[in-house]
Amino acid sequence: GAVVSQHPSWVICKSGTSVKIECRSLDFQATTMFWYRQFPKQSLMLMATSNEGSKATYEQGVEKDKFLINHASLTLSTLTVTSAHPEDSSFYICSAREGTVNTEAFFGQGTRLTVV
Amino acid sequence: DAKTTQPNSMESNEEEPVHLPCNHSTISGTDYIHWYRQLPSQGPEYVIHGLTSNVNNRMASLAIAEDRKSSTLILHRATLRDAAVYYCILVVGGSNYKLTFGKGTLLTVNP
Repeated sequence: GAVVSQHPSWVICKSGTSVKIECRSLDFQATTMFWYRQFPKQSLMLMATSNEGSKATYEQGVEKDKFLINHASLTLSTLTVTSAHPEDSSFYICSAREGTVNTEAFFGQGTRLTVV
Repeated sequence: DAKTTQPNSMESNEEEPVHLPCNHSTISGTDYIHWYRQLPSQGPEYVIHGLTSNVNNRMASLAIAEDRKSSTLILHRATLRDAAVYYCILVVGGSNYKLTFGKGTLLTVNP
C-alpha cells in the first residue's frame, strides 16, 4: 500500500516555543491531507483538512492561528504548533489520500509531542 | 456526519474467525463504508472499504447488509497482530471527503 511518512516520531519542546511536524506521501501525490490529534485512550479528532495549494479548512474549535497548516506541494504538508503549552501535548497524526473519487486514506506513524 | 455504532470491545481466540459488527442506520446512498484499525502508539491502517457489494482483500472481508444499515468486518483467522482498535467510518465521497473517527471496537486476541 501507499506510504505516508511523518517526522519526527516524537518531540519534546519547552513551553512557548513552536514545533513543526512534517507529513510526506512517499509514492503517490496527495491531493488532500488531514491532520488529527489523539489524546490518551481517546479516538482521533480531526483538526483540519488541506488541499494542495489551498488554505486549510479547520474543524470547529481548532485555532487556526495556533495550528498552522501548509500544504505547499502534492507530497508534503506541515503542521506547526505555535507557542506550545503543556495542554498541546498529544499524539498528532497526518493522513493523505490520492485523487478525488472515493479512495482510502493512508496514515503516518504519528508524532508524540510533549510540551514541558 | 452519519454516525456508526460499534461494540466497545470484543475478544477472540487466535486462529479463529472474528466478526466485527457496525451499525449505520442513517447511512445515505452515497456514503461509503470504510474500516481502519489502529495498533497502540501507531497511526491507523486502512483495512477495507465498500459501497453496496461485499468486498474481499488480503486483510479481511466486508459484508454489507442488503439495506446497507449495517456491515461486518470479517477477519478469517485472527492472529495476535490483529489486536487493535477497529473503526467503522462512513465516508462521503468527492470534495466533501472526510474521515471522522468514532470510538471503535477494541479487539483482544487470546493466544
